[in-house]
Amino acid sequence: ETGVTQTPRHLVMGMTNKKSLKCEQHLGHNAMYWYKQSAKKPLELMFVYNFKEQTENNSVPSRFSPECPNSSHLFLHLHTLQPEDSALYLCASSQERAANTGELFFGEGSRLTVL
Amino acid sequence: GENVEQHPSTLSVQEGDSAVIKCTYSDSASNYFPWYKQELGKRPQLIIDIRSNVGEKKDQRIAVTLNKTAKHFSLHITETQPEDSAVYFCAASNSGNQFYFGTGTSLTVIP
Repeated sequence: ETGVTQTPRHLVMGMTNKKSLKCEQHLGHNAMYWYKQSAKKPLELMFVYNFKEQTENNSVPSRFSPECPNSSHLFLHLHTLQPEDSALYLCASSQERAANTGELFFGEGSRLTVL
Repeated sequence: GENVEQHPSTLSVQEGDSAVIKCTYSDSASNYFPWYKQELGKRPQLIIDIRSNVGEKKDQRIAVTLNKTAKHFSLHITETQPEDSAVYFCAASNSGNQFYFGTGTSLTVIP
């Protein structure tokens, strides 16, 4: 499989559950991202990893915990979420410096619903 | 930080007409401006981009213009087709991995 794949595509969880979102890229990229997409809001950058090192953390609540074991895999661990965390979570990858190489490659997203 | 505003939020055009989506940005250091298209239930995909050393770029039916002085850039789609219906996002970046996205424009092309 090529490109950026995310699992699961849909997830429903209670506020006390613990779950994880997974992202895998087969493009040989070195940077991976988590974005949150909510209705009528801009895409919100949550985390960026370059060469497995976290380089951006946009004041994301600690109930979201990223993990990047290697440059091809990215996880988002979820714990004690709130209903307002319901959104589409998009993973993306790029060469090290996307603004120089020109493109973010997105996955299809994981639709999260928190009850 | 950077603030990107995008207008309109929704746009309906007749097939064959042109569509224009406009974005403004606040950080004069921004130098890269991509546009992404997201079809319903699908991932955002890059359709065109422009860098600050260029004023206009065209790729078949789509074009992007950039006015650095006024800090705005626009997407132009000519001869629209039903398959152009999607949500379009503009973004601005000043290099590195930080992209600031607009709120999106939902374009509907009416056959």
